[in-house]
Amino acid sequence: HVQLQESGPALVKPSETLSLTCSVSGDSISSYCWSWVRQPPGKGLEWIGHRHCNGRNDYNPSLKGRVTVSIDTSKNLFSLRLSSVTAADTAMYYCASYNIGAAGTVFDYWGQGTPVTVTS
Amino acid sequence: EVVLTQSPGSLSLSPGVRATLSCRTSQTINSDHLGWYQQKPGQAPRLLIYMTSHRPPGIPDRFSGSGSGTDFSLTISSLEPEDFAVYYCQLFGSSPLFSFGPGTKVDFK
Repeated sequence: HVQLQESGPALVKPSETLSLTCSVSGDSISSYCWSWVRQPPGKGLEWIGHRHCNGRNDYNPSLKGRVTVSIDTSKNLFSLRLSSVTAADTAMYYCASYNIGAAGTVFDYWGQGTPVTVTS
Repeated sequence: EVVLTQSPGSLSLSPGVRATLSCRTSQTINSDHLGWYQQKPGQAPRLLIYMTSHRPPGIPDRFSGSGSGTDFSLTISSLEPEDFAVYYCQLFGSSPLFSFGPGTKVDFK
């Protein structure tokens, strides 16, 4: 089945842009719908953005236009860009997905997560 | 916006007992869009229940989900040592598009 692996810088400076990628293996990225979810230390899960199976994107309004998600089907990569980061963006970042044909809109597949700390 | 509220915030129980976790929504929702996850320390969340009451392959049948309208629950019929974790409910279709409850921590009494 599909496997997900997040990667990116562990440290990002305030006001800079965070860029993460999710490498997908075991199946075609086009067979799934994709999201980024984050979890600040010791806190709960927060949805960031979603790539629908039809190619449309949706974002969490709380992130106020700072988020962009994208897919590179040729490389089987799902990416996240989060601009103007602050300490509040310090979190474990997960990519998560479900199959196009899946019942229910829940995330069957998760990466192991990549930690990001915003610090000067 | 639909707000998810989970109760209790934490639960101290012994292995072998039954655990019932609640997830309430601030508005009536489509129960097809409600799921539950388990998260252990240092691990990614794991899907336990989708569409309120369906278990994915590989999820033990001691886990069950139920509910409708605004009241949903996850029941663990007999706690195993590996079940001590944090449990989150998740909704699709409101604003934000995906939302998670604050979680219920089940720990060892």
